[in-house]
Amino acid sequence: ELKVEQNPLFLSMQEGKNYTIYCNYSTTSDRLYWYRQDPGKSLESLFVLLSNGAVKQEGRLMASLDTKARLSTLHITAAVHDLSATYFCAVDMGTGNQFYFGTGTSLTVIP
Amino acid sequence: KAGVTQTPRYLIKTRGQQVTLSCSPISGHRSVSWYQQTPGQGLQFLFEYFSETQRNKGNFPGRFSGRQFSNSRSEMNVSTLELGDSALYLCASSRGSPEELFFGEGSRLTVL
Repeated sequence: ELKVEQNPLFLSMQEGKNYTIYCNYSTTSDRLYWYRQDPGKSLESLFVLLSNGAVKQEGRLMASLDTKARLSTLHITAAVHDLSATYFCAVDMGTGNQFYFGTGTSLTVIP
Repeated sequence: KAGVTQTPRYLIKTRGQQVTLSCSPISGHRSVSWYQQTPGQGLQFLFEYFSETQRNKGNFPGRFSGRQFSNSRSEMNVSTLELGDSALYLCASSRGSPEELFFGEGSRLTVL
């Protein structure tokens, strides 16, 4: 079974600082997704990475994918309080929409 | 464009009862997937339906079942509820499969 690990599980950072969330997965896959979840809310799609070397950026967030290393990163630049949320990565096996989600990283940005 | 709609949003049941949850996907989306989210187990895949056919099924007991109608709307049913079934049940739709999932707000089930 595909396993997806994220680290750190919890991240507390000050506004203005940079940090990276890591997502490792156990089986070859060319597709990786990043989602954001606010407390009590649903999951919001952030990025879809569809090939090795893919890099996508939106505002202060940038995601990348290295399929050879089975690693994706979500980089936060100059964090602001509004980025406080739980971030999940997810991988599919290419056989439909059976996504395997990471454990999530709970991010708190302190003013 | 309307998003994924799930009903009911909240419900409380007792052990042994059954529950049916409903999901209306985004217009034009043919794939509907269901996920269970709990603090202990995280997000776990239940099943996926595409054009009324179950394409994938996660590792859940047979008490969990689902179906999809010709208009792509989907329902999932849990019979003989157990305390451990308390969770947020999320429905997601997509145009194809595999493809980016768009999630609904979820149905929060509490089993007493």
